[in-house]
Amino acid sequence: QSALTQPASVSGSPGQSITISCTGTSSDVGGYNYVSWYQQHPGKAPKLMIYEVSNRPSGVPDRFSGSISDNTASLTISGLQPADEADYYCSSYTSRDTLLFGGGTKLTVL
Amino acid sequence: DVQLLESGGGLVQPGGSLRLSCAASGFTFSKYAISWVRQAPGMGLEWVSVITADGGSAYYADSVKGRFTISRDNSQNTLYLQMNSLRAEDTAVYYCAKVGRLVLTWFDPWGQGTLVTVSS
Repeated sequence: QSALTQPASVSGSPGQSITISCTGTSSDVGGYNYVSWYQQHPGKAPKLMIYEVSNRPSGVPDRFSGSISDNTASLTISGLQPADEADYYCSSYTSRDTLLFGGGTKLTVL
Repeated sequence: DVQLLESGGGLVQPGGSLRLSCAASGFTFSKYAISWVRQAPGMGLEWVSVITADGGSAYYADSVKGRFTISRDNSQNTLYLQMNSLRAEDTAVYYCAKVGRLVLTWFDPWGQGTLVTVSS
């Protein structure tokens, strides 16, 4: 199975908003509400930011939001802060009882 | 605090075997599925395997099926990954992660990872 498709990089200035897309198929992203997003800083373990498409775990700022349209999920970060600079990965359950990750997106805060 | 702590990584020759462990604390281990995820150096995340809360079912990525075996000991709050017939492409940091609910939904939290290097 191929990884979900994410842009390799996105950038934005402090205070701005950015959106990272995650494209799959009807057998994964578009077929289930089990899309999650993870933030990973260099040398650190991934951290859950969004689960079940649009839910935020306790402690994650409401600047982070998730949505979905057809086979594409999106992570939006508003009010960008320097600490948001990191790699972001989406994931989705699949119809084969497996899980797929996206290739990852490097967010640069200019 | 929920914590996961991996161990057992190291250097192994191609074709060799290694067993990773993941010690859990801070939650009722026997009520949650647990997964392994790996990350090759400089690369993205790759899901490896998951085991249900009672250990009755396990699922694997195609890339490791038939070579890796996931298991758990709920009396010891410990997850394992037995890795056989290791290849250079298995070189990665291996993370264990607690599944949010059901079997393959979301992962939270993650352990700090253990590095496996397959090289001669």
